[in-house]
Amino acid sequence: KQEVTQIPAALSVPEGENLVLNCSFTDSAIYNLQWFRQDPGKGLTSLLLIQSSQREQTSGRLNASLDKSSGRSTLYIAASQPGDSATYLCAVSPSQKLVFGQGTRLTINP
Amino acid sequence: EAEVAQSPRYKITEKSQAVAFWCDPISGHATLYWYRQILGQGPELLVQFQDESVVDDSQLPKDRFSAERLKGVDSTLKIQPAELGDSAMYLCASSQRDEQYFGPGTRLTVT
Repeated sequence: KQEVTQIPAALSVPEGENLVLNCSFTDSAIYNLQWFRQDPGKGLTSLLLIQSSQREQTSGRLNASLDKSSGRSTLYIAASQPGDSATYLCAVSPSQKLVFGQGTRLTINP
Repeated sequence: EAEVAQSPRYKITEKSQAVAFWCDPISGHATLYWYRQILGQGPELLVQFQDESVVDDSQLPKDRFSAERLKGVDSTLKIQPAELGDSAMYLCASSQRDEQYFGPGTRLTVT
């Protein structure tokens, strides 16, 4: 059974710092990995999708990497801003459905 | 930009009552998903549709939950009777290929 773990569960950093969020998964047989952002009480916003044949994707200040062999992905956020404060979830797709981690709650302090 | 629509946004119901949630996916998306998210956890898949057919409902508590997508477009998720442990966010998502797009969710509170 695929399991996804995100460490740390919570992270607080000052504005302007670069930071890395981690995601690990137990079964490397995945089709893709997706990173989402969730604001309190809201739905999920897709940030980046990495196909299993890719090693990274970039969007603006965000860069996500994927290492299937080690079962790891990282989300790099450059020059963090208070508006980046949210919960970040990673999810892997063993088939079409997504298996989620529990998320990292990120707080950016002005 | 096209979005997944869900209603209601919030629902408070007493235990043993029936409750229903509605989802309208992005136009043209053949695959529709219902997830349940308990506070502080990641979402978990309840049911997946491909057009009007159920592809995966292995985690759906079928004694009280039902889902339908009669014309392969919008979908309804029903709970009857609701239990206290059903309090959660119910999220609908749709996809055309690999990337899933989520709606705003329905926050259910069972009292």
